[in-house]
Amino acid sequence: KQEVTQIPAALSVPEGENLVLNCSFTDSAIYNLQWFRQDPGKGLTSLLLIQSSQREQTSGRLNASLDKSSGRSTLYIAASQPGDSATYLCAVDTDKLIFGTGTRLQVFP
Amino acid sequence: GAVVSQHPSRVICKSGTSVKIECRSLDFQATTMFWYRQFPKQSLMLMATSNEGSKATYEQGVEKDKFLINHASLTLSTLTVTSAHPEDSSFYICSASYSPQETQYFGPGTRLLVL
Repeated sequence: KQEVTQIPAALSVPEGENLVLNCSFTDSAIYNLQWFRQDPGKGLTSLLLIQSSQREQTSGRLNASLDKSSGRSTLYIAASQPGDSATYLCAVDTDKLIFGTGTRLQVFP
Repeated sequence: GAVVSQHPSRVICKSGTSVKIECRSLDFQATTMFWYRQFPKQSLMLMATSNEGSKATYEQGVEKDKFLINHASLTLSTLTVTSAHPEDSSFYICSASYSPQETQYFGPGTRLLVL
């Protein structure tokens, strides 16, 4: 059974710091891995999608890497801003999306 | 493009009543729609997958007679929580895709509170 874990569960940092969020999964048989952003009481915004054959994807200040063999992905946020405060979810696609429990990020001025 | 809406955004109801939540794909035809549930501080859990014109496929542990799903058109799916109880209080999120293996586009969610 696929299980997705995210560490840390919560993170509070001052503005400007570079951050690394971690996601691990137990079964490497995945089609792809996605990182989402969820604001309080809101739906999901897709940030990055990495296909199983890819190693990383970049979008602006965000960079996501994937090491399928070790069951790990990281989301790197450069020069964090207060507007980055949200919950970040990773999800693996194995015929259905299986989500981690998320990392709650707070960036303070 | 690829916008998904949900209605209502928030609903409060009494225990024992039924609640209907709508999920609409506004600018594309969604062959497949998914319903997720998210309890506080927990991850999103897939409840069921529905394909237009056919019966929904429910995940293990989800009662199909309690959570009725109808996907009668390519732009609308509804989730009806029948005889709701306080333990059904949760955040319900739908997503829609062009086909089962395509990218899912998520709605904004519906917060249900059962008193």
